[in-house]
Amino acid sequence: SQKIEQNSEALNIQEGKTATLTCNYTNYSPAYLQWYRQDPGRGPVFLLLIRENEKEKRKERLKVTFDTTLKQSLFHITASQPADSATYLCALENSGNTPLVFGKGTRLSVIA
Amino acid sequence: NAGVMQNPRHLVRRRGQEARLRCSPMKGHSHVYWYRQLPEEGLKFMVYLQKENIIDESGMPKERFSAEFPKEGPSILRIQQVVRGDSAAYFCASSPTGQGANQPQHFGDGTRLSIL
Repeated sequence: SQKIEQNSEALNIQEGKTATLTCNYTNYSPAYLQWYRQDPGRGPVFLLLIRENEKEKRKERLKVTFDTTLKQSLFHITASQPADSATYLCALENSGNTPLVFGKGTRLSVIA
Repeated sequence: NAGVMQNPRHLVRRRGQEARLRCSPMKGHSHVYWYRQLPEEGLKFMVYLQKENIIDESGMPKERFSAEFPKEGPSILRIQQVVRGDSAAYFCASSPTGQGANQPQHFGDGTRLSIL
């Protein structure tokens, strides 16, 4: 069966450290993968998109990797801040004209 | 630039009533998506619409649920004869181009539906 899993439901880290969140998928062939941030009571906000032929994408303190062999994407936040505390969602679109499929999210807490 | 606007933000209905959720996409976006989110669960796709057309309704329950995106006005998600299990947050998203176009989706802040 098809699955998209974010391996940690919750992650606590110290301010200033690097947070690493994992997204694994099974029985999908995604053309690209997206990461979103969701704050309590709000809708998801798009952060980064990485295509299957890209190994890595960066945006300020954020970095995403995409390994189609391991069927995994890693999302890194360097020099984390308490304001980075939120739930982070990965989403993929299988090849072709298909809907976005979301993971359940990882709730990140950055402790000062 | 107004983002995706959803209203109402909170909606309370009694079992058996109808719920109407509205979504105005970002300016210039003609593709609208509806998702449902239950506590501790991920966003689940329900339906994808373009102006006046339903493109993909593979995630929508076959009964009681319907969606439209008329030529003028917001997209509407309609739930008839609501039941307790319909209680959830419903999110709308929009994009300038459709599925398969490598485009991010822009989300509203959702409507939280509570069924008494």
